[in-house]
Amino acid sequence: AQRVTQPEKLLSVFKGAPVELKCNYSYSGSPELFWYVQYSRQRLQLLLRHISRESIKGFTADLNKGETSFHLKKPFAQEEDSAMYYCALSGNRDDKIIFGKGTRLHILP
Amino acid sequence: DAGVTQSPTHLIKTRGQQVTLRCSPISGHKSVSWYQQVLGQGPQFIFQYYEKEERGRGNFPDRFSARQFPNYSSELNVNALLLGDSALYLCASSLDLGRYGYTFGSGTRLTVV
Repeated sequence: AQRVTQPEKLLSVFKGAPVELKCNYSYSGSPELFWYVQYSRQRLQLLLRHISRESIKGFTADLNKGETSFHLKKPFAQEEDSAMYYCALSGNRDDKIIFGKGTRLHILP
Repeated sequence: DAGVTQSPTHLIKTRGQQVTLRCSPISGHKSVSWYQQVLGQGPQFIFQYYEKEERGRGNFPDRFSARQFPNYSSELNVNALLLGDSALYLCASSLDLGRYGYTFGSGTRLTVV
């Protein structure tokens, strides 16, 4: 079954400290992986996608097929990173996107 | 470009009533998907339409239906509303079938009383 697991509901990190948001997935194939972000009072928006191998706002995510993980990382947290982060996958048999339950990132001053 | 627009933004309905939610995709986007987001949960997939044809359906009862029009806008209909249908309903559009990601609207907040 397709599943995305984000084990942390809330992650608090001091400003300037490294950030790692965990994401594990279950899918029998080669999915596309995404991270979406929702800032306070804003709509859900795409942060980055595995297929583009990009770095957005200092965030990167590496797909580890052996561990079926797609953790989101940033070396130095900034206060404006405080938001809700959702890991998501899209399968190769269909194109619906499966979301995790999300992790709220709180950057402490 | 106004992005993905949804209407109405808020809605209050009574149990048993029917509701229609509307979505206009980004110009040029041919794929529209609908998601339900309950408080504290990630968005749950309801439907995907591409070129006016249904391409996927999530685990929702037949009370939920949708369609896509020739201009690629879409409607989501929910019949016989239950209290548990109260949620934020999100519409998302993409150029292709979404494998490069979706652009989301702000959502319609539905409250069933």
